[in-house]
Order: sequence, then structure tokens, then C-alpha cells
Amino acid sequence: AQKVTQAQTEISVVEKEDVTLDCVYETRDTTYYLFWYKQPPSGELVFLIRRNSFDEQNEISGRYSWNFQKSTSSFNFTITASQVVDSAVYFCALSENSNSGYALNFGKGTSLLVTP
Amino acid sequence: DGGITQSPKYLFRKEGQNVTLSCEQNLNHDAMYWYRQDPGQGLRLIYYSQIVNDFQKGDIAEGYSVSREKKESFPLTVTSAQKNPTAFYLCASTWGPVNTEAFFGQGTRLTVV
Repeated sequence: AQKVTQAQTEISVVEKEDVTLDCVYETRDTTYYLFWYKQPPSGELVFLIRRNSFDEQNEISGRYSWNFQKSTSSFNFTITASQVVDSAVYFCALSENSNSGYALNFGKGTSLLVTP
Repeated sequence: DGGITQSPKYLFRKEGQNVTLSCEQNLNHDAMYWYRQDPGQGLRLIYYSQIVNDFQKGDIAEGYSVSREKKESFPLTVTSAQKNPTAFYLCASTWGPVNTEAFFGQGTRLTVV
């Protein structure tokens, strides 16, 4: 069963628009970690943020912000004033103390296209 | 600079051949992972290793094999038993044993011809 759901397969916005990427997760653990990664066309995954299950405080980093809500099992990612360089595939991931060690369980990704 | 190096970047394989993908890290990380990425499928775990000389199957291990003889190295062999090997393969490592962020290599794109 899919533990991380990114319902938006593709999103296209015009530069300077705000965009929110949704992530819904499923776990029975009380201790878990959530991540967002960016995959530019080059292919390498770039780490954006890590959040543990005990810290629901929202975080802002420049134009990026994250909204973690345990009540709805969501960890959404918002890009404010999007830029062309934000075009990439974005992955949400969950890490639990499962039988796969601490391996990341990824969503299927959201492809974001920002046009000028 | 510390990081993960995967080689080669592109690899072509004839049907029926085994091929080995290299993954080396100089981050002194304990745990290493192999993921497979297919279009629209996200990343799926093939194998992982938490310490030297130990490794475990992930979700899609059939047709693959690994070794972990050195802390720095975690090569992946795609065997002829893997029925659909064409994919993008990513290697990652974490400091472990906590859920720290994973560092990824640049990937190897394998194509069966």
C-alpha cells in the first residue's frame, strides 16, 4: 500500500505565482520523519527539509514553506513567487523504524513546471 | 568534497547480461541504499545496508544482488533475472542509526538494448 500520496502528478504555473504541493502520509508509528526532495533535470535528488513527528511547527526558508498537520497526516510544501529555476520533480518521503531500516518511502512525485 | 559517486552515468546492456553499477561514498555514512526510479513510479527501494557485511532486501529485490565489503562501497548487480531492468538507479547513504536526511548520487541510467 502506498504510504505517501502525492495526488498532483503535474502542476504548471506562471512565474511569480504561488504554488502548493500536497503530501499525505500513512503510518502507525508515533515516531517518524518526513522529507521533501527536489529532483532537477540532472537527476540527483536535493534535500529540502526534514521534519520529525513531534515538531508540528511550520517552517519557512526563503520562498519555501512547509505546513505539517498531524491531524490530517499532511505535509504540504508551498513555493511563494515561483521562478523558472523551481521547475523540477518534487518528492515527499516518509521514514519510519520499519523493517527496511530507516529507508525512505517516497511518493510518486509532483512535476512542477514554471513558465516565464 | 564529500559526497556519493555513482558510475557510470549511462549504461547499456544486452539482454541476458549481468551488469554492475558502482556506488562510492566518502561521507563516512553507515547506511547505504539502492533505489530504482521509473517514470511516474517514484523511487522504490531495492536493497539497503546498515553496516558493513550486512544487507537486506527492499521492496523490489528480485533480479538484483549487492555486496557491502567496505563501508564506502555498495555496488549493485543487475542480473539477467531482472525482467525489466531499464530504469534510473539512485544510490543513497545516511549517517544512521537515526532518520537523518539521505544524500544521493547523480544516478545511473540503465538501458537494455
